[in-house]
Amino acid sequence: DAGVIQSPRHEVTEMGQEVTLRCKPISGHDYLFWYRQTMMRGLELLIYFNNNVPIDDSGMPEDRFSAKMPNASFSTLKIQPSEPRDSAVYFCASRGGQYSNQPQHFGDGTRLSIL
Amino acid sequence: KQEVTQIPAALSVPEGENLVLNCSFTDSAIYNLQWFRQDPGKGLTSLLLIQSSQREQTSGRLNASLDKSSGRSTLYIAASQPGDSATYLCAVTQGNNRLAFGKGNQVVVIP
Repeated sequence: DAGVIQSPRHEVTEMGQEVTLRCKPISGHDYLFWYRQTMMRGLELLIYFNNNVPIDDSGMPEDRFSAKMPNASFSTLKIQPSEPRDSAVYFCASRGGQYSNQPQHFGDGTRLSIL
Repeated sequence: KQEVTQIPAALSVPEGENLVLNCSFTDSAIYNLQWFRQDPGKGLTSLLLIQSSQREQTSGRLNASLDKSSGRSTLYIAASQPGDSATYLCAVTQGNNRLAFGKGNQVVVIP
């Protein structure tokens, strides 16, 4: 079991640039979650997918944020244009099972710095 | 809106002491409660998951209790070791698959 894989691990870019974060969930998991972690707000759910379909995107802060899951083994979170306040650690997690009684498995995160 | 609180934000204990971490939540309509461990620069690792119908879960030196009616959970770590130094996060799952997290307890076990 390779775990949830995120790339890149670190990203530093200038304000206004497009940022794309990538995630490969655990094989066989049909739920995928994107979170953002900051010191001020802690961990916040941005969006989650079930069987590649976005189910709840109410946590996406603005239209500058978008997420896609073109297939069961890949998802992206895109920020365009990026702003300094988007600086945070972004986590992807996946979960198997129909019900919420299974734990989520997290990747190691992408540390994003917008200058 | 569900609010999850973990106090204190940081604590230090001498090696060998038992650790007690507390979590409180405002809405008792939860499916389960989870405790996670986060090491610096790493993601979250699930330690224990307690279903809403359960009172506690145990794994090795770890024991977590849940009192849903009062909105409280406690994580006990017996005979703490320096390797237990990490941030511990509590999270509750609500009906729409959303996990609401506390901000964590940052623990340092002093050798």
